[in-house]
Amino acid sequence: DTAVSQTPKYLVTQMGNDKSIKCEQNLGHDTMYWYKQDSKKFLKIMFSYNNKELIINETVPNRFSPKSPDKAHLNLHINSLELGDSAVYFCASSTRPGDEQFFGPGTRLTVL
Amino acid sequence: DQQVKQNSPSLSVQEGRISILNCDYTNSMFDYFLWYKKYPAEGPTFLISISSIKDKNEDGRFTVFLNKSAKHLSLHIVPSQPGDSAVYFCAASPDRGSTLGRLYFGRGTQLTVWP
Repeated sequence: DTAVSQTPKYLVTQMGNDKSIKCEQNLGHDTMYWYKQDSKKFLKIMFSYNNKELIINETVPNRFSPKSPDKAHLNLHINSLELGDSAVYFCASSTRPGDEQFFGPGTRLTVL
Repeated sequence: DQQVKQNSPSLSVQEGRISILNCDYTNSMFDYFLWYKKYPAEGPTFLISISSIKDKNEDGRFTVFLNKSAKHLSLHIVPSQPGDSAVYFCAASPDRGSTLGRLYFGRGTQLTVWP
């Protein structure tokens, strides 16, 4: 059983398109996160939701919009994709904010 | 502005020997530190953590040491095994026990354990 899953695993798209990445966790956690790992390998937090409420928004362009339909899901929608959005995006979850985070396998986004 | 730094991008160790991975941080508000391990094409996996009220935490072959005055922590793996070969990320949080839970990651160190 996969604890934190993401779809798709790979995403190749053209500049200007809109795309979504889905994340689901079956751990019963209250808190979910989105991270971006850029070409320099830095993992940076983008968003965090606790009980479906946004608690962290780390200066991410408003082309990125997270949506949490329920505590088990946190999706990431990206409008008007740019070349600089190419990265690996990781979803994570934790029992509550500040606890150890469990990561999904990542989604490699390539914008051409 | 990297608040968590892992200055060694790679480390190569013989099987059975000790692996020491280092991490420095700049933010004195960090009060919780974690190490994650990452295999290719997988997400990071939590390995071990330490609170700022401690200077050492041990879990099997893995021990994390924290030197708050030097703003430095290290992960010791003894004995090292080939299966330990992975990228190790150091992470720190100023939000332990808070309502946020931000984690700041280092760039990672690729550990290779050879037979």
